[in-house]
Amino acid sequence: GAGVSQSPSNKVTEKGKDVELRCDPISGHTALYWYRQRLGQGLEFLIYFQGNSAPDKSGLPSDRFSAERTGESVSTLTIQRTQQEDSAVYLCASSFATGGGFFGQGTRLTVV
Amino acid sequence: RKEVEQDPGPFNVPEGATVAFNCTYSNSASQSFFWYRQDCRKEPKLLMSVYSSGNEDGRFTAQLNRASQYISLLIRDSKLSDSATYLCVVRGDSWGKLQFGAGTQVVVTP
Repeated sequence: GAGVSQSPSNKVTEKGKDVELRCDPISGHTALYWYRQRLGQGLEFLIYFQGNSAPDKSGLPSDRFSAERTGESVSTLTIQRTQQEDSAVYLCASSFATGGGFFGQGTRLTVV
Repeated sequence: RKEVEQDPGPFNVPEGATVAFNCTYSNSASQSFFWYRQDCRKEPKLLMSVYSSGNEDGRFTAQLNRASQYISLLIRDSKLSDSATYLCVVRGDSWGKLQFGAGTQVVVTP
């Protein structure tokens, strides 16, 4: 497709389980971002990939969170041993190196 | 200090009126600037880039003031559909990551 695609769109998981969220960026976009947005809150930066450079992981809230990106394509965000405070919408965006970013529709994660 | 700061609002605007709001950024070396809008429970969408000389897109006008390190957005002839949260976004350097402000809420009332 032409836009950023995220899957699943919704995920309900039990506390303590691991989850994997996927992002397919726009073709040709070298930059990819993950953000978290809790209900009624602003965007919280998680991680940034730019081409083949080392990712900026400064926003990851704990070592339970990790992300990978294969070249300049798909990225997965993994949350291990999920906690209730992980419940949020996880948004992925991609961009060219110097342009504005385009967001996917997000994955709504609910930890019960 | 946050890298990008915005007045959270809400700005309550009568339909047809003009509203303007600013965003300040801390990194004087910032290269690129954008405004996004986010509707309730939706993803942010790119509204417009902000150019050094200022730029317009229909009823929307964006300005950049590098000396004072702020950007502004002005909405003329406000429509009910303009009700949203407007996010200020700054790219720190040519290859740097996008920094998002927390957003300014605009509510256009009939």
